[in-house]
Amino acid sequence: GESVGLHLPTLSVQEGDNSIINCAYSNSASDYFIWYKQESGKGPQFIIDIRSNMDKRQGQRVTVLLNKTVKHLSLQIAATQPGDSAVYFCAENFNDYKLSFGAGTTVTVRA
Amino acid sequence: GAGVSQSPSNKVTEKGKDVELRCDPISGHTALYWYRQRLGQGLEFLIYFQGNSAPDKSGLPSDRFSAERTGGSVSTLTIQRTQQEDSAVYLCASSLGPRVSYEQYFGPGTRLTVT
Repeated sequence: GESVGLHLPTLSVQEGDNSIINCAYSNSASDYFIWYKQESGKGPQFIIDIRSNMDKRQGQRVTVLLNKTVKHLSLQIAATQPGDSAVYFCAENFNDYKLSFGAGTTVTVRA
Repeated sequence: GAGVSQSPSNKVTEKGKDVELRCDPISGHTALYWYRQRLGQGLEFLIYFQGNSAPDKSGLPSDRFSAERTGGSVSTLTIQRTQQEDSAVYLCASSLGPRVSYEQYFGPGTRLTVT
């Protein structure tokens, strides 16, 4: 079936550097995308979302880019901090309420 | 304020036993979701409740899995005759409305281990 996937399972980044987490999706009908952050022992937490009629959206220290031509989504974290260490998931939506999640990228911030 | 709570936080059970997992959503949230997260993997949709509408059970992996939501609030996920492949973290989420554009708030999950 169609699913969301990620390019890299792990990412190690130096504190203060920018992080880029990538995600590929396969359902061309998907029109809404969300990035989640999951810390150890906790449920996922919403970071930022984007609709398919946009190609960029910015939040606090985070930017999501959407390239519909190649079905690619990325999350950029500026000035990565130790508290950013977590697993990051992208999720796509192609109906009213169901989300399809990727496997996640583990981000480790080096001091 | 109170978030989504789940109980128990951890459950170890023997193969073949039944288990019940509980979710208390945020008060006033009409939508409730259950997901399964296997180790190192993303979330799998299991079931969706919205108000008084019939639940979407399309993600339940087998007839050993069932869920109910009483009074539009608390939900219970039941797994009968547990198998080792049922070992996972079971996550519950609630949201204010029926669409994904309403933010889903997740509980901490129940870690189920079937021995």
